[in-house]
Amino acid sequence: GAGVSQSPRYKVAKRGQDVALRCDPISGHVSLFWYQQALGQGPEFLTYFQNEAQLDKSGLPSDRFFAERPEGSVSTLKIQRTQQEDSAVYLCASSLQQRGDTEAFFGQGTRLTVV
Amino acid sequence: DAKTTQPPSMDCAEGRAANLPCNHSTISGNEYVYWYRQIHSQGPQYIIHGLKNNETNEMASLIITEDRKSSTLILPHATLRDTAVYYCIVRGNTNAGKSTFGDGTTLTVKP
Repeated sequence: GAGVSQSPRYKVAKRGQDVALRCDPISGHVSLFWYQQALGQGPEFLTYFQNEAQLDKSGLPSDRFFAERPEGSVSTLKIQRTQQEDSAVYLCASSLQQRGDTEAFFGQGTRLTVV
Repeated sequence: DAKTTQPPSMDCAEGRAANLPCNHSTISGNEYVYWYRQIHSQGPQYIIHGLKNNETNEMASLIITEDRKSSTLILPHATLRDTAVYYCIVRGNTNAGKSTFGDGTTLTVKP
């Protein structure tokens, strides 16, 4: 596709429910990142993939958060037993290479509201 | 992972140049300076990046000081549509996936 695509755009979950957020990166992009953005704050790093390998998951806030990219393309961020503090916009970004001189492009994000 | 410091907010008159500063005093030699902006309810949009030379593209210019400890993003003729939150981040080859965004600068362009 032309850009990074995320679905759904909006998700309302009841507390305790499991959710799955999808990211379709730009075709051919090796690197994929997930960020969490709370209201009024900048994006915060969650995890990073190079192809199918998850190279850094240091930003995941708890073991309820899990991300995968099994075939090195589409990625899914899963949150188990959602809690109210998980309410945020979840952003996905991809870049052609894992290099400092290669820009990352962001999707529109998924706004998760836990009620 | 170098951190950046930006003023929380700035105003600019429509049609005038908007100059947004960023401090990145702990930047290392192989880290690039990137600028993104985010309009409400959208994902961050890439604007420009540079290593040590000044850069210009169709959206903006990036001026990096000689010691690389600070930079300025210049929007030469700001329009109302440039109202957004602007983020300055640094990215290197080893940490390109772990950029720290901070809270950015909210630029308000006024008619």
